[in-house]
Amino acid sequence: GAVVSQHPSWVICKSGTSVKIECRSLDFQATTMFWYRQFPKQSLMLMATSNEGSKATYEQGVEKDKFLINHASLTLSTLTVTSAHPEDSSFYICSARWESTDTQYFGPGTRLTVL
Amino acid sequence: GENVEQHPSTLSVQEGDSAVIKCTYSDSASNYFPWYKQELGKRPQLIIDIRSNVGEKKDQRIAVTLNKTAKHFSLHITETQPEDSAVYFCAARLQAGTALIFGKGTTLSVSS
Repeated sequence: GAVVSQHPSWVICKSGTSVKIECRSLDFQATTMFWYRQFPKQSLMLMATSNEGSKATYEQGVEKDKFLINHASLTLSTLTVTSAHPEDSSFYICSARWESTDTQYFGPGTRLTVL
Repeated sequence: GENVEQHPSTLSVQEGDSAVIKCTYSDSASNYFPWYKQELGKRPQLIIDIRSNVGEKKDQRIAVTLNKTAKHFSLHITETQPEDSAVYFCAARLQAGTALIFGKGTTLSVSS
């Protein structure tokens, strides 16, 4: 099956710093990737849709200047949380769409803790 | 946009019993309905999915039914086992290439 990786798996940072999270499709090309955020005991909330070579589409209420998304290649999308604050602490999960099966595969997630 | 409601939020069953989780969606144009199982701290794992041209799909102990008229779909797990304990999410998608919209999840506990 299709494999999606994320790096790092967890990160702790100080308030005000920026953190970059990478999402890679390891054995397939993904023109479309999605970024979700999941708070404890809650559902996955869509943050943005990332399309290779174009600007990301953000969901209502998600600040595009705070959550920078870059999808520079068919196998890599990055999410940068700029000027992180404690309320940004969450589980960030990406998914990549495998076009041949029209199925989304999820990465293992990144646990962000902002002190 | 699409909205997905999921019930119940928690479900406790005895080992060997059946479990049913139900979801409703708002947009009649949605055409793809996957179910994911998520264990604590891990990624959601696709367990079964159904597309709008099919009414039912089964994979061993797991089945999903879809009623397009009523805009609801259900997950059925038979002969539950303790390892089935997890959070289950339903999702809906409007068209190919768009994001999945998730329900709020159901915490299933199977006691032996």
